[in-house]
Amino acid sequence: DTGVSQDPRHKITKRGQNVTFRCDPISEHNRLYWYRQTLGQGPEFLTYFQNEAQLEKSRLLSDRFSAERPKGSFSTLEIQRTEQGDSAMYLCAIPGPTPYGYTFGSGTRLTVV
Amino acid sequence: RKEVEQDPGPFNVPEGATVAFNCTYSNSASQSFFWYRQDCRKEPKLLMSVYSSGNEDGRFTAQLNRASQYISLLIRDSKLSDSATYLCVVNLDRDDKIIFGKGTRLHILP
Repeated sequence: DTGVSQDPRHKITKRGQNVTFRCDPISEHNRLYWYRQTLGQGPEFLTYFQNEAQLEKSRLLSDRFSAERPKGSFSTLEIQRTEQGDSAMYLCAIPGPTPYGYTFGSGTRLTVV
Repeated sequence: RKEVEQDPGPFNVPEGATVAFNCTYSNSASQSFFWYRQDCRKEPKLLMSVYSSGNEDGRFTAQLNRASQYISLLIRDSKLSDSATYLCVVNLDRDDKIIFGKGTRLHILP
């Protein structure tokens, strides 16, 4: 139990389809972060929320990507018109357990074929 | 220059040996520093925080040199279970995102 639940764990989709991922922190946290990790790379920041407000978006987040956190609890990340380059592990994180560190969910592994 | 740079891997090390990882960061305003461990196809997990005074947790020792903007991780008496990717992580301040290095893969050989 990582403290963050992500769904689905794996997603295979055809190029051009839309996909949506969900992140559910087990307990309440003001902040929630999304990262993307491709093979052989470290996780790269995508966006983060302070409650419902999306405060920062990386330039990696093209206009095909949208993230929401409607009630300040769970969050969704949607990718429209998926491309093969979107294939990656999408990780959600919350602050803790150590000050200024993060706890990550198990991630959603996306494969675009 | 990348914000966080790590030794390229992989490191192939016999069981019982000592292994050292190095990391440099570019932003001198960075405030918090960590080492994360990531097993194959799993999420990153916090291994330890890194403090200026240095800190030790069992076989693991982390050091920070703010003047040189350098972070290190030492693993003594390495075990097969230490095989993983080790990620160097930097946080500018408590309200900002954490930045990861590319990671260094470690293989402990029996």
